[in-house]
Amino acid sequence: DADVTQTPRNRITKTGKRIMLECSQTKGHDRMYWYRQDPGLGLRLIYYSFDVKDINKGEISDGYSVSRQAQAKFSLSLESAIPNQTALYFCATSVKDRDTGELFFGEGSRLTVL
Amino acid sequence: GQNIDQPTEMTATEGAIVQINCTYQTSGFNGLFWYQQHAGEAPTFLSYNVLDGLEEKGRFSSFLSRSKGYSYLLLKELQMKDSASYLCAALDSNYQLIWGAGTKLIIKP
Repeated sequence: DADVTQTPRNRITKTGKRIMLECSQTKGHDRMYWYRQDPGLGLRLIYYSFDVKDINKGEISDGYSVSRQAQAKFSLSLESAIPNQTALYFCATSVKDRDTGELFFGEGSRLTVL
Repeated sequence: GQNIDQPTEMTATEGAIVQINCTYQTSGFNGLFWYQQHAGEAPTFLSYNVLDGLEEKGRFSSFLSRSKGYSYLLLKELQMKDSASYLCAALDSNYQLIWGAGTKLIIKP
């Protein structure tokens, strides 16, 4: 079983619908992240959380919200999906030692907004 | 602004050596990462450099020059399974990762 699990893996939805992507981890890491990946662009950070009571906006947080329900769970919501949110979304975790910054990624959630 | 540049695509032959370059401009610098990403899969960590010089790890090596804002990933004895995208990322002064768009490496027999 994967240490960082994302659900759903694939989702097709329509403009205006609310979507939630879920991430759970068994690595025991405090830090969790949500990224999106688009062809020809680098990974872009949406939100990150350093512990359960800590939520921070990333580079492209507009149109997204997150919830850190527990150390192991970090959910990403699109309140009203739009076509330019079609992308591959990755959840990632890291340990507290920020000097290394090594990230452990989930398998990705491919979202298509029609 | 902050920027990472790396070639979009490279082609190499099985058994050969390939060098993937990366230049970065960031607000402060706390290290340079290389990740491998096979098509449709998650990125996986390859290397981390924070000091100048070459770090070798099996067939893969990574080099950093902080004064030049430059890094490269060297892959030796290429295998077909090395066909993937290679992502360069720099850790800025706020310990945020700035990602390049990735280099797609195509290995030919």
